[in-house]
Amino acid sequence: NAGVTQTPKFRILKIGQSMTLQCAQDMNHNYMYWYRQDPGMGLKLIYYSVGAGITDKGEVPNGYNVSRSTTEDFPLRLELAAPSQTSVYFCASSLQAYNEQFFGPGTRLTVL
Amino acid sequence: KNEVEQSPQNLTAQEGEFITINCSYSVGISALHWLQQHPGGGIVSLFMLSSGKKKHGRLIATINIQEKHSSLHITASHPRDSAVYICAEGSQGNLIFGKGTKLSVKP
Repeated sequence: NAGVTQTPKFRILKIGQSMTLQCAQDMNHNYMYWYRQDPGMGLKLIYYSVGAGITDKGEVPNGYNVSRSTTEDFPLRLELAAPSQTSVYFCASSLQAYNEQFFGPGTRLTVL
Repeated sequence: KNEVEQSPQNLTAQEGEFITINCSYSVGISALHWLQQHPGGGIVSLFMLSSGKKKHGRLIATINIQEKHSSLHITASHPRDSAVYICAEGSQGNLIFGKGTKLSVKP
């Protein structure tokens, strides 16, 4: 099993550009999450999904969109990138709520 | 809103020392998670507990529900234990994370 995979590992965007961060898991987990990690701060939840076709906002959703068309994939879309979106993004999954979460390797995004 | 506080923020130890990292939270929880973030950035789950104590190798996690406090202990610390240790609480389905404790173990 590959676990949770994320692409790309690194990306530099210009202000106003758009991109999609990819996340996939092969553990048949129901729950998937997107977090951002800023220096000196705890991980913050951007969006989460409890199953295919169901998504909900987390603590910091502004400037992002998600979709969950399959159990395996949970892409995160950035529209009109801003310098405030410079961060490290982690995708995670768990079988159910309150279960152990498995994390992807992260994507380091810089917006200039 | 629940808040998660960790202490200390930074910790330097000599190889072989016993390490304790503390985590406090403000409201009742269903589960307390301890995670490790490697220097390369990857995050792995170490423990998930809702009562008592759990042990895995040299790592021990304890929780006191009444005091809303959890500790992570590392016995016989080793330089490979150098990492950021993160505690998170899951009272409302989603996790609220502390800012992490950066541990450096010197040989």
